[in-house]
Amino acid sequence: IAGITQAPTSQILAAGRRMTLRCTQDMRHNAMYWYRQDLGLGLRLIHYSNTAGTTGKGEVPDGYSVSRANTDDFPLTLASAVPSQTSVYFCASSDHAGGYNEQFFGPGTRLTVL
Amino acid sequence: AQSVTQLGSHVSVSEGALVLLRCNYSSSVPPYLFWYVQYPNQGLQLLLKYTSAATLVKGINGFEAEFKKSETSFHLTKPSAHMSDAAEYFCAVSDRTGTASKLTFGTGTRLQVTL
Repeated sequence: IAGITQAPTSQILAAGRRMTLRCTQDMRHNAMYWYRQDLGLGLRLIHYSNTAGTTGKGEVPDGYSVSRANTDDFPLTLASAVPSQTSVYFCASSDHAGGYNEQFFGPGTRLTVL
Repeated sequence: AQSVTQLGSHVSVSEGALVLLRCNYSSSVPPYLFWYVQYPNQGLQLLLKYTSAATLVKGINGFEAEFKKSETSFHLTKPSAHMSDAAEYFCAVSDRTGTASKLTFGTGTRLQVTL
């Protein structure tokens, strides 16, 4: 069982370029999330999806968009990357929305915007 | 708004010594609380969670945490540190009132274990 896969593992991107980070889960979880991890700031929620077809904004949504066309996939798009979006991005999922549910995390994507 | 504060960005202990990682929360309603661990170059994995069933929560790898409402704390402990415990640890809080599982993380504590 793979759990959550993320692609690419790492990427160096020129500022102004468009980039999509991919996330796929095989656990049939209803809820999915995108976080960014920055040194000294912990993890911050970018966007989330309670179920296929719905999305919501997290703490730091500006400059990012998401879609949830099906249960398994939750891509994160940077329409025009800026250096401040240099970070490690983690995708996560949980069986259901609701605060008590464990979230399962992918291995992360390290993104550098120059 | 809910938040968590982790005291100490770095903690160093000797192998076999007590591990104590501190977490204080702020929430307008009784929260759900979590501890996650992150090993180098990996994603996070759940150590334990508090959902109000019991104030002392036991997790994996010998870790436990006690919910103390009067102190708004959820400190993580392990009686005897092992070299394999070296990692970064995150405390997180989730709101009971919403329908989304929106976790708010602390800034993390890096645990170093020395011989």
